[in-house]
This record gives sequence, structure tokens and C-alpha cells, in this order.
Amino acid sequence: DAGVTQSPTHLIKTRGQQVTLRCSPKSGHDTVSWYQQALGQGPQFIFQYYEEEERQRGNFPDRFSGHQYPNYSSELNVNALLLGDSALYLCASSLANPSNAPLHFGNGTRLTVT
Amino acid sequence: AQSVTQLGSHVSVSEGALVLLRCNYSSSVPPYLFWYVQYPNQGLQLLLKYTTGATLVKGINGFEAEFKKSETSFHLTKPSAHMSDAAEYFCAVSPQGGRRALTFGSGTRLQVQP
Repeated sequence: DAGVTQSPTHLIKTRGQQVTLRCSPKSGHDTVSWYQQALGQGPQFIFQYYEEEERQRGNFPDRFSGHQYPNYSSELNVNALLLGDSALYLCASSLANPSNAPLHFGNGTRLTVT
Repeated sequence: AQSVTQLGSHVSVSEGALVLLRCNYSSSVPPYLFWYVQYPNQGLQLLLKYTTGATLVKGINGFEAEFKKSETSFHLTKPSAHMSDAAEYFCAVSPQGGRRALTFGSGTRLQVQP
């Protein structure tokens, strides 16, 4: 049973460029959340998708956007990249119910902005 | 608003010694509480969680944590450290119910000395 898979594993972009990160949730999971983990910090919540809609959003600018497809996979898009966007981006999936269903994390995409 | 404070960004113990990682939270509503572990270049793995019921929670790899409402704490312990326990540990909190956005602490790096 495959867990949460993310692609690519590493990415190098230049300031001002746009990037798309991809996530396939664990089999059977229907909710996908994205987190940003800067070096030496805990993960910070970006947003969550369920039924192809953004359900919750953290304190991130509109440059960060996402999408969820009918097969529950998800994308994270970041426009106009800044040096400060360099981080590990983690995708987590879960069941929408029960409410205490655990999150399963992927291994992340390491984004470096130069 | 919720927040998590992990006391001690680095903790070093000898193999076989007690592990104690501290976590205090702030929440205006009764929270769910979690401990995650992160090994280098990997995502986060759930160690244990408190939702309701028994306040002493047992997790994987011999770890346990106790929810103390009066102290707003959820410290992680393990009676005897093993070399393989060396990793980054994150405490997290989320509101009860609904689809949960986790708020993470800044992490504690555990070193285990031979």
C-alpha cells in the first residue's frame, strides 16, 4: 500500500519563476494538506483541500495556490518565487472523517530558490 | 489561536537513559495533541496522539506522553533511549472536530550518545 508520494524530490528555481509541486495521497484518503517547513523550523500550514475545494488556509499570500483533482491528488503552485520560499514542502493526506483520523506525511519536496 | 512551545531545541541523552521532551500548548478550546518524529530527509511520522479519554497515551517505539490540562503540557517520554531514536521531534496541536490544521512547535533535536 503506497503512502503519500510527492514529486519532484528536489527542485531549484530562480527568483520570480513559478513552480508546481505534486502530491498523491495515501490510498483511500480524500483530504490533502500542504505544509511549508523552513530550515530549522516546524512545518507551517499552507492550505487544505477536500472535495476539490480549498477548505482551510493558513497565513500565506495569494502567490500560493492549489488544486485537487477528482482522484484526490493535489498540486501546490507558487508564483513569483522569493528567496524566502526556499523550504521543504510537505504534503499530508487523511480521511475527512472521523475528525481524529491521523495525517500521513510524504517525504516532501525540497525547493531551493536562487 | 493556538500555539506550541517546545522547551529545548536540542536534547542529548546517553543510550539507555530516560528521554524527556517538553511541550506546552496554548489553546482557547480543548485541543487534540500530537507528537511527530522526523528523520533526516524524510517526512513526519506520527508517534502518538491525544484526542479524548485516557490522558496517558502510548505510541510507537516505546514512547508515551501524558496530557496535563492544568499544566497545558504534553511531554514526551521514553524510559530507555536507543541510538535509533536520534531524530527531530515535533509537538503539534489542532482544534477538536472538523478537518484539522496542525500548529507545530519549532522542534527538538534528540541526540543519543553511545
